[in-house]
Amino acid sequence: AQSVTQLDSHVSVSEGTPVLLRCNYSSSYSPSLFWYVQHPNKGLQLLLKYTSAATLVKGINGFEAEFKKSETSFHLTKPSAHMSDAAEYFCVVSDTGTASKLTFGTGTRLQVTL
Amino acid sequence: DTGVSQDPRHKITKRGQNVTFRCDPISEHNRLYWYRQTLGQGPEFLTYFQNEAQLEKSRLLSDRFSAERPKGSFSTLEIQRTEQGDSAMYLCASSLGSVSVLTFGAGSRLTVL
Repeated sequence: AQSVTQLDSHVSVSEGTPVLLRCNYSSSYSPSLFWYVQHPNKGLQLLLKYTSAATLVKGINGFEAEFKKSETSFHLTKPSAHMSDAAEYFCVVSDTGTASKLTFGTGTRLQVTL
Repeated sequence: DTGVSQDPRHKITKRGQNVTFRCDPISEHNRLYWYRQTLGQGPEFLTYFQNEAQLEKSRLLSDRFSAERPKGSFSTLEIQRTEQGDSAMYLCASSLGSVSVLTFGAGSRLTVL
């Protein structure tokens, strides 16, 4: 069975400082991993995805994530937070070839302060 | 293309009533998915269609829930005899094929009083 664990339910950073949102995964197969962002009253938006190509994945809005198989981690980072980054972030895993059945983490709420 | 549309955005109902949600996917997408998100949790898979065929249903989808996609385009999710535990955000998503990325709608929030 596949699963993801988001290690922080809430992260608060100051604008202009780095962002780190942590995610560990468990999968029986070679997983596909995603980060989605959810702003209030808006649909989930894909930030980036890993599908066994390069281990460092670049996404939209300056976010990136590194797949580390030895640590079963897929942490999301951004060098400099912006106020507009405040949202709920979900780490997601899917067994390769079964993108229909995404398994979401419980989410990390990112707060960005002035 | 306006993305994935869901209607209504909010629904308040009394326990025991039936409710129906509609999802219009991206027009060229052949796969359509339903997820449920409760407060403080990530979305959970309910069911998905490829064209008009319902290919998989989660154990979360009790007998009171039924989903259809009659012509392989829009889909409906009906909940009969609603219970307070059905209160959640119901999310629809669509994709082209089995490995493409899912595009989500904004969701339909259900409150059962």
